[in-house]
Amino acid sequence: QQPVQSPQAVILREGEDAVINCSSSKALYSVHWYRQKHGEAPVFLMILLKGGEQKGHEKISASFNEKKQQSSLYLTASQLSYSGTYFCGTEPGAQKLVFGQGTRLTINP
Amino acid sequence: DSGVTQTPKHLITATGQRVTLRCSPRSGDLSVYWYQQSLDQGLQFLIQYYNGEERAKGNILERFSAQQFPDLHSELNLSSLELGDSALYFCASARTAGLGFTEAFFGQGTRLTVV
Repeated sequence: QQPVQSPQAVILREGEDAVINCSSSKALYSVHWYRQKHGEAPVFLMILLKGGEQKGHEKISASFNEKKQQSSLYLTASQLSYSGTYFCGTEPGAQKLVFGQGTRLTINP
Repeated sequence: DSGVTQTPKHLITATGQRVTLRCSPRSGDLSVYWYQQSLDQGLQFLIQYYNGEERAKGNILERFSAQQFPDLHSELNLSSLELGDSALYFCASARTAGLGFTEAFFGQGTRLTVV
C-alpha cells in the first residue's frame, strides 16, 4: 500500500530543476508532499486533491494524475534550502497516511 | 514550531525494557498519527487515533501499543525492547480523521536508543 517514489536520490547544482515522482497501486483521492531536513521533523509542502484542487508551497509545484495514480513534484531553479528528503504520502483508505520511501535531494552550490 | 509536542526528546534504555513516548497534538487537532523512522529510512506508519478511538493500524508490532486520552494527548508504549527498535519516533496531528483536505503537523520526534 506504500506509494513508490523515484528517483531515490538526486544531486543538482543550484539553479537546476528536479522532478520527483510518486505512484500508487491504489486509487488516490489525495497526495501529500513533505520535506524533511536531516535530523528534523517532516514539514508539509503541498496537498493535491482529486478533482484538481491544489494547496501548497509558492515556489514548488506539483501535478496529480488521478487516472494513472501518479503525482509529480517539480522544483524549478533549485535553491540550497531545497536540500532534504522529500516524501509523498497517500491515504489508501481507513484514513491512514502512508509515505513513500523518500527521495533524497542534494543541492550543491 | 509545529505546535505538536513530543517528550522525551531522547531516550536510552536497555534491551527488554519498556518505555512510553508522549505526544501532545496541536490545539484543536483530534487526530494523532505515530510513525517510526529507522536510520536514514522512510516513515513507517504505526497507528492512528481520532478523538480517543483507534482508526487505522499499520505494521505495528504486538510489543507496541498506543492510546489517546480524553485530553487528546497520546502515548506510544514500547515493551520488551530490542536493538532493532532503535529509531526516531514521530507523532503527527491533524484536524480531521481523513487528510483529504488538511495537512498533518509533525512533532520533533523522540530518538530512542536501545543498548
